[in-house]
Amino acid sequence: RKEVEQDPGPFNVPEGATVAFNCTYSNSASQSFFWYRQDCRKEPKLLMSVYSSGNEDGRFTAQLNRASQYISLLIRDSKLSDSATYLCAVKDGGFQKLVFGTGTRLLVSP
Amino acid sequence: EAGVTQSPTHLIKTRGQQATLRCSPISGHTSVYWYQQALGLGLQFLLWYDEGEERNRGNFPPRFSGRQFPNYSSELNVNALELEDSALYLCASSLGGTLHEQYFGPGTRLTVT
Repeated sequence: RKEVEQDPGPFNVPEGATVAFNCTYSNSASQSFFWYRQDCRKEPKLLMSVYSSGNEDGRFTAQLNRASQYISLLIRDSKLSDSATYLCAVKDGGFQKLVFGTGTRLLVSP
Repeated sequence: EAGVTQSPTHLIKTRGQQATLRCSPISGHTSVYWYQQALGLGLQFLLWYDEGEERNRGNFPPRFSGRQFPNYSSELNVNALELEDSALYLCASSLGGTLHEQYFGPGTRLTVT
C-alpha cells in the first residue's frame, strides 16, 4: 500500500461547480498535512495546511479525519484558473520529509 | 519577500557526468529539502539539511549528495549520471522545527542524454 494515495482523476467540472478530493495516508503517526497545487511543469505551491479542526480559505476548505486517515479538499465555485494538479502531502513525524501523493488533476471548463 | 531560488533552470548532461544544482532558501529559513520529480512519478524526497547538517535522506543511491552552506543555501550533486536521473529537481525551504510548511523553488530540469 502506498503511503499517500490520491485518485489521479482527471476530474472534469464546469465553472461554478463544487468539487472534492480525498487523500488517504497509511502512517497513523503522521503529524502535519498539506495541500499543494501544481501547474504543468511548475513547482508545487502551498495551497493550505490542514489542521485537526479543519480550515477554510475563501473557496477552499480542508478537513482532516484522523480516525479514517484521510484528508480532503473542497473547492467551491470552481474557476477556470483552478485547473491544475492538486497534491496532498503528509509530513512523516520527526523525519521532516513530506510524502506526496501522485496528485489529482482538475480540469474546469467554461 | 523573495522566494526560494534555484539555478540553473535547465541543465543538460551526458551519461556518466556530474551535475551540480543550487538552491537559496527564503530569508530566515534554515531547513532545505531536495525532491526529485521524474516524469509520470510523484515527488520523491531526496535530502534534508538543517543548520548545515544532513538530517535525513530518502531512498536514493550515495551518488546523490549535497551540502548546506553557512548562509543556508544548498547544493545537490549527482555523480555518474544515469538516463533515469532525468527529472525536475525541486528545492524547498522551511523555518526550523518540525511543523512548518515547506515552500518550493521553481526547480532545475535535468536532462541526461
